[in-house]
Amino acid sequence: KQEVTQIPAALSVPEGENLVLNCSFTDSAIYNLQWFRQDPGKGLTSLLLIQSSQREQTSGRLNASLDKSSGRSTLYIAASQPGDSATYLCAVMNRDDKIIFGKGTRLHILP
Amino acid sequence: DVKVTQSSRYLVKRTGEKVFLECVQDMDHENMFWYRQDPGLGLRLIYFSYDVKMKEKGDIPEGYSVSREKKERFSLILESASTNQTSMYLCASSLSGLSTDTQYFGPGTRLTVL
Repeated sequence: KQEVTQIPAALSVPEGENLVLNCSFTDSAIYNLQWFRQDPGKGLTSLLLIQSSQREQTSGRLNASLDKSSGRSTLYIAASQPGDSATYLCAVMNRDDKIIFGKGTRLHILP
Repeated sequence: DVKVTQSSRYLVKRTGEKVFLECVQDMDHENMFWYRQDPGLGLRLIYFSYDVKMKEKGDIPEGYSVSREKKERFSLILESASTNQTSMYLCASSLSGLSTDTQYFGPGTRLTVL
């Protein structure tokens, strides 16, 4: 049974710092892995999608990596801003089309 | 346990038909969401609702509308289905709008538009 874990559960960093969010999964037979942010009152916003054959994806200040063999993904945020404050969720899609979410990391960027 | 149900697991429609996808949650949640899930694109938000009769556009609202007449029910409407709307549709609900609130997903409806 696939399990997705995100560490840390919460993180506070000063504005301008680079930071890394971690996601691990127990079954490496995934179809893809997706990072989302969740803001109060809104749905999930997709940040980056990494297919199982890929090792990383980049969008602006965000970079996500995938190491399928070790069951790990990281989301790197460069030069953090207060607007980056949100909950970040990692989700893996299994080959049976089921999406399994981690519990998220609450990120607070201190102005 | 939170239960989110969707009216159909599989649906086949023809181009131009009007399609209704129904979602019901039984935990008195404030927020409800509709997503579509596509290979290579992942999960994308179509619309969400934070209260009865309230709705907000998500990332890809074009070609869709929604209705929330009762708190427990959130409907996704395809006014005139097109083949590019063939997808897996997932409904979700959460207790409130906090960013820490877990979203609970339904089993999904796989829609094929011919």
